[in-house]
Amino acid sequence: DTGVSQNPRHKITKRGQNVTFRCDPISEHNRLYWYRQTLGQGPEFLTYFQNEAQLEKSRLLSDRFSAERPKGSFSTLEIQRTEQGDSAMYLCASTSADRAAYEQYFGPGTRLTVT
Amino acid sequence: GQSLEQPSEVTAVEGAIVQINCTYQTSGFYGLSWYQQHDGGAPTFLSYNGLDGLEETGRFSSFLSRSDSYGYLLLQELQMKDSASYFCAVGSAGKSTFGDGTTLTVKP
Repeated sequence: DTGVSQNPRHKITKRGQNVTFRCDPISEHNRLYWYRQTLGQGPEFLTYFQNEAQLEKSRLLSDRFSAERPKGSFSTLEIQRTEQGDSAMYLCASTSADRAAYEQYFGPGTRLTVT
Repeated sequence: GQSLEQPSEVTAVEGAIVQINCTYQTSGFYGLSWYQQHDGGAPTFLSYNGLDGLEETGRFSSFLSRSDSYGYLLLQELQMKDSASYFCAVGSAGKSTFGDGTTLTVKP
């Protein structure tokens, strides 16, 4: 397995448009996390899945954000009606449930720019 | 909620030893992790402390004191490639909360 992959790597969109990102985790990992990172900050938790179940969603996450993991493998993160404040790096990470609290493997991220 | 504090920047010379501290306030604490992130790259896991004490992995060591809500990452024999951001992260309830990172600059 080559690790966690994310597509696209870069996305430029106009304010008000919808965008969708994809994450393919390490195949044997049943936990998948989405984070957002801006310059000079650490990764900020957005949501996570165990298999296909979404177990937690950040209270800071607007209802314009939605994530799915329909078959417990890849996941998508959709942002509707994008705003300039959504510009950030969106990171996906995966791990196994027994290591979830401390050892996560990150993908390269999708850099979103909202103009 | 959770909060973590770590210095924003540290500078050291090649071959030296540097310590990056992390203090935290959290509930449901499971342990403290450290991640390294190079410019433009993804965070990569370095080490984890679930119990008090020192964990050593090559040139890197990490320490935890639960009673003091404090930990540190120790980097020895610094190399230029160690220039990166280092994040402490608190694990709790199935997820991790990250600090804002310490930018380490290694000078020749």
